[in-house]
Amino acid sequence: NAGVMQNPRHLVRRRGQEARLRCSPMKGHSHVYWYRQLPEEGLKFMVYLQKENIIDESGMPKERFSAEFPKEGPSILRIQQVVRGDSAAYFCASSPGLAETDTQYFGPGTRLTVL
Amino acid sequence: GENVEQHPSTLSVQEGDSAVIKCTYSDSASNYFPWYKQELGKRPQLIIDIRSNVGEKKDQRIAVTLNKTAKHFSLHITETQPEDSAVYFCAAQLIFGQGTELSVKP
Repeated sequence: NAGVMQNPRHLVRRRGQEARLRCSPMKGHSHVYWYRQLPEEGLKFMVYLQKENIIDESGMPKERFSAEFPKEGPSILRIQQVVRGDSAAYFCASSPGLAETDTQYFGPGTRLTVL
Repeated sequence: GENVEQHPSTLSVQEGDSAVIKCTYSDSASNYFPWYKQELGKRPQLIIDIRSNVGEKKDQRIAVTLNKTAKHFSLHITETQPEDSAVYFCAAQLIFGQGTELSVKP
């Protein structure tokens, strides 16, 4: 039973480019969460999605950031026109979606570096 | 907005001693409180969690206590070992604390 998968594991972008981060949840999980972790800081909640629906995006910056979880395929976190401050580790987690307090299982993260 | 405060930010103990990390939260509607261990460069790993219908939960050397009235929960690690060294995060629902860097000296 494969765990949560994220790719790429490392991504380098120049300022102004777009970054696309992908997350495949664990088998049987229908809910996905995205978090950002700045160096030596905690995890900051960004967005919570289920298939084809955003449940909570209260932690997502209003501009340049978007997330989706289509019916087929992985969840995508998209960052347009990246800036140096976007450099961070982006973790996704998944849960079965059976209850509001499901246990979340984290992926290995994507480390984004903006030059 | 919702907030989780975690203390201490760093904790150094001798092998075999106990370690205690404390968190407080602001959203009284929170009812799920997981604890994660994160080693350098790795993903957060769930080590224990507690839901609001219980006040204490134990798993071998790890225990968590919850006081819903005070909006306070704690992680207790007994008989610490060097491999317990890591950063520990508490969370209330989706909001994480700032982390505690635990160092266990042999």
